Amino acid sequence: EAGVAQSPRYKIIEKRQSVAFWCNPISGHATLYWYQQILGQGPKLLIQFQNNGVVDDSQLPKDRFSAERLKGVDSTLKIQPAKLEDSAVYLCASSPDRAFFSSVSSYNSPLHFGNGTRLTVT
Amino acid sequence: KQEVTQIPAALSVPEGENLVLNCSFTDSAIYNLQWFRQDPGKGLTSLLLIQSSQREQTSGRLNASLDKSSGRSTLYIAASQPGDSATYLCAGLNAGNMLTFGGGTRLMVKP
Repeated sequence: EAGVAQSPRYKIIEKRQSVAFWCNPISGHATLYWYQQILGQGPKLLIQFQNNGVVDDSQLPKDRFSAERLKGVDSTLKIQPAKLEDSAVYLCASSPDRAFFSSVSSYNSPLHFGNGTRLTVT
Repeated sequence: KQEVTQIPAALSVPEGENLVLNCSFTDSAIYNLQWFRQDPGKGLTSLLLIQSSQREQTSGRLNASLDKSSGRSTLYIAASQPGDSATYLCAGLNAGNMLTFGGGTRLMVKP
């Protein structure tokens, strides 16, 4: 099966500019995640979608970050305006969970990650 | 709030050694524990997933164990090879489909 696709692979912008990342999950995967991974650290969840609804965005800096998943498939993550500390790799992941809370087995699908977008803010 | 810690942060071993990577978590109410591998400039690849009702999972030279009561998981790599050099991350899944990652262990296997 085709994997999670992300674009662009690299992006360099100046602070206060805006930037957008795109993610196409594996076909049929209901759950989509955006993670931020700062160099040397583990990924930190920014937002989680179940189909086209937001499940968790508690760690998303909403004053500058926004994300959407129209039609429950592709997703975009936007930063406006960017700050120096936003320099990181932005990873998109998907999993096939559909029965969100109704079945223990729904928690046992491994996440599939894209290769990420490396953002450098200068 | 779940917190996941991985020790050591970095590890360098000669080829052929057996090694253990450690992962600890604060909230034992996890649904599963996953181990991932990350190569430089790449995304994460799922290696092993241990369900909350299981104690271990094996795949080839990899064996992962889970002890919920003590909040620990270990990843055992047998007969390490230079191709095993990568960053290894563990992550616990809690209620709400919340997956929390540790900071990773950077492994270097020298020929």
